[in-house]
Amino acid sequence: DGGITQSPKYLFRKEGQNVTLSCEQNLNHDAMYWYRQDPGQGLRLIYYSQIVNDFQKGDIAEGYSVSREKKESFPLTVTSAQKNPTAFYLCASRSGGEEQFFGPGTRLTVL
Amino acid sequence: GESVGLHLPTLSVQEGDNSIINCAYSNSASDYFIWYKQESGKGPQFIIDIRSNMDKRQGQRVTVLLNKTVKHLSLQIAATQPGDSAVYFCAENLRGSSGSARQLTFGSGTQLTVLP
Repeated sequence: DGGITQSPKYLFRKEGQNVTLSCEQNLNHDAMYWYRQDPGQGLRLIYYSQIVNDFQKGDIAEGYSVSREKKESFPLTVTSAQKNPTAFYLCASRSGGEEQFFGPGTRLTVL
Repeated sequence: GESVGLHLPTLSVQEGDNSIINCAYSNSASDYFIWYKQESGKGPQFIIDIRSNMDKRQGQRVTVLLNKTVKHLSLQIAATQPGDSAVYFCAENLRGSSGSARQLTFGSGTQLTVLP
């Protein structure tokens, strides 16, 4: 099956710890995105990557970091600098068109 | 950037009735709009999209209407079913001056509840 996978589905973190969220796609899409979703709100863009080895900050990049070493993978690290990291994190990818395809999401909770 | 907003945060409809979900946008330069459906705890799923050179587009049980004069977008769902209960987001895409596609800007969503 082609698609986007995110792991883990649920993630718990202690305050002060960094944590990395996985996003993998086998759709051969060039562009990938990370969004954050808080309860009752829309999606806010954290980082995006249009091509391998290149990425740009979105609207709320502070406290997050990404890498794009492979076309299929776009991991997101939530650092200890992110003051309010508890949220639902969504990864998406896009081919040459404008529609973005989303993964199932990772729910991060800081204990 | 410009924001996309929804008129109503919640909408309840009887099973079998038609649903209309509204969305306002403020950037007249946006040239592509898309509707997503998000079920609880899942990622958004594509429903239908429309470009700014169109006024209407139909899919299976869904219709999107675009009124550029008042910067308004609506999603109509015919014969609403229990499986349609979800949060619906509209999003806009402002094409950059270089011609490259930019990221989508999402509204806050409308919770649709289908009553038995």
